[in-house]
Amino acid sequence: QVQLVESGGGVVQPGRSLRLSCAASGFSFSSNGMHWVRQAPGKGLEWVAVIGDDGRTDFYADSVKGRFTVSRDNSRSTVYLQMNSLRTEDTAVYFCAREHSHNNWLFDYWGQGTLVTVSS
Amino acid sequence: EIVMTQSPATLSVSPGERATLSCRASQSVRSNLAWYQQKPGQPPRLVIYGASTRATGIPASFSGSGSGTEFTLTISSLQSDDFAVYYCQQYENRPPVTFGQGTRLEIK
Repeated sequence: QVQLVESGGGVVQPGRSLRLSCAASGFSFSSNGMHWVRQAPGKGLEWVAVIGDDGRTDFYADSVKGRFTVSRDNSRSTVYLQMNSLRTEDTAVYFCAREHSHNNWLFDYWGQGTLVTVSS
Repeated sequence: EIVMTQSPATLSVSPGERATLSCRASQSVRSNLAWYQQKPGQPPRLVIYGASTRATGIPASFSGSGSGTEFTLTISSLQSDDFAVYYCQQYENRPPVTFGQGTRLEIK
């Protein structure tokens, strides 16, 4: 069965960096785009970033562009989110999500999420 | 960026009754509209995509309708497991994809 397991969250000071990981299993990882979606405490869902199945294309929300970088290692079935220059408003649970095989930008499986808290 | 607006913010319905949730897009998304269910402490779960196609494992009590800018999620006979927050998402115009603010479906 498809599994996505995020890690790397924690408490970090504003301006610092953090790298999240999402380990995938149960499907052919190199066949699907992978996304990051976040949810601030008590709030709704906000799409953050996507990386294509071969890692050659990526897109970002305006709110993180220039600060966050998404990458993937298909040999390890893992997608990463490098977060630099963190701000208090980046505090959220970060989910990785698999892109549906036949519908781009649709999320058919999600991880449990990892909490990032940006605070001094 | 397409703005998605859900109504109502909270819906109180008794078990066994029907629930109707609405989602409106600021411009046409054709049928590229999904619904997700989220329970406390859990990730979202895909319920409906293509405006009306049930995702794998979703019971027939869930149905979606609409196209263009107006969409509806209907749950025909509410079970205790159905009470959750529901989000709509457009994936027509991207990036970015955008979500509604959610409708909390609670037990009356």
